Amino acid sequence: EAQVTQNPRYLITVTGKKLTVTCSQNMNHEYMSWYRQDPGLGLRQIYYSMNVEVTDKGDVPEGYKVSRKEKRNFPLILESPSPNQTSLYFCASSLGPRGSYNEQFFGPGTRLTVL
Amino acid sequence: SQQGEEDPQALSIQEGENATMNCSYKTSINNLQWYRQNSGRGLVHLILIRSNEREKHSGRLRVTLDTSKKSSSLLITASRAADTASYFCATPVTGGGSEKLVFGKGTKLTVNP
Repeated sequence: EAQVTQNPRYLITVTGKKLTVTCSQNMNHEYMSWYRQDPGLGLRQIYYSMNVEVTDKGDVPEGYKVSRKEKRNFPLILESPSPNQTSLYFCASSLGPRGSYNEQFFGPGTRLTVL
Repeated sequence: SQQGEEDPQALSIQEGENATMNCSYKTSINNLQWYRQNSGRGLVHLILIRSNEREKHSGRLRVTLDTSKKSSSLLITASRAADTASYFCATPVTGGGSEKLVFGKGTKLTVNP
């Protein structure tokens, strides 16, 4: 089944404890992206990648890192999480490198709470 | 950077009625997309309309695009309780090496049985 998977789905952690949220897609998509969703603020893009080893900042990249060593994986790293990073996170992928040209497929989301 | 804005923010209708949601955007676009999100779940792509298209249909969905007014509308006909969800429009922001899809804050649709 074609899908985007994220792990973990739920995570409660403490301030400053490094964490990684994994994202994987099995559709051979070139474009991958991370979003966070907060009440009243909608969906905001954190980072995106147009291909392997190519990443770029979205609208809210501060406090996050990403890497794209393989086409299928696009992990989101929080080196030192803070409470303002408590949010619902979504990974998405799209067929071509132009992520805005085609539909995006979303993962199920990761609900992160930073205490 | 907020590109698309949906209107209304919330809409409550009875089953069987039609639901219309609007999206306005600021800059020129090559396409506009609509997505649905059930509470707390991932977004699901509904329809993509390109800038040279004025109207597109998919089942009970009808999307229009007016590039002169920088606006789009999503019409759901004969709504069902299962259509209860939030609906988002998304528009591209490109240029200068940037390649982003920017989402509005959504319209929350409630369809009452």
